[in-house]
Amino acid sequence: NAGVTQTPKFQVLKTGQSMTLQCAQDMNHEYMSWYRQDPGMGLRLIHYSVGAGITDQGEVPNGYNVSRSTTEDFPLRLLSAAPSQTSVYFCASSWTPNTEAFFGQGTRLTVV
Amino acid sequence: DAKTTQPPSMDCAEGRAANLPCNHSTISGNEYVYWYRQIHSQGPQYIIHGLKNNETNEMASLIITEDRKSSTLILPHATLRDTAVYYCIVRPGRGAQKLVFGQGTRLTINP
Repeated sequence: NAGVTQTPKFQVLKTGQSMTLQCAQDMNHEYMSWYRQDPGMGLRLIHYSVGAGITDQGEVPNGYNVSRSTTEDFPLRLLSAAPSQTSVYFCASSWTPNTEAFFGQGTRLTVV
Repeated sequence: DAKTTQPPSMDCAEGRAANLPCNHSTISGNEYVYWYRQIHSQGPQYIIHGLKNNETNEMASLIITEDRKSSTLILPHATLRDTAVYYCIVRPGRGAQKLVFGQGTRLTINP
């Protein structure tokens, strides 16, 4: 039981490049979400999903796309990377909104 | 989601109880109080949550005032490994997963 797995752990992109941050969970959780954390700040919600095929926007969705084709996977796509997207990205999952959320170890992204 | 207010930092001696306060004066009847912590740059870790009754688990205790406008997280015997940023979050009991993180309290446990 690996929990929530994020890949890659580190990534450097050039401005304008696109990439996908991977998130997978093996707990059969329905709810998954993506957050970003900028230096010295709390986490901000980017996108979330209440189940396969269903996604919605969070607080800071611009510049990111998500899809949820399976229960296990919830990838986050950066369409055209910008320096303002330099951040640490965390993926989380949980059984229901009331239960504890499990977080991955994060992806540290730098856009130059 | 209700806004929470936490002190930016606190210190506690190792072995003592750490009491972390949180104000959530605009909390509504169906909103729960959650606590998470983030150790260094790791992913946040769930600690405890409650609605109106006090709660206790192997990590901590949660004391919610009768009017539910504030709460206190208690780490009964703090260790150096409890040094982290602690987040108090209020959220509805139903609906989509939306954890709204504020600035949290940076707790430093001193030897």
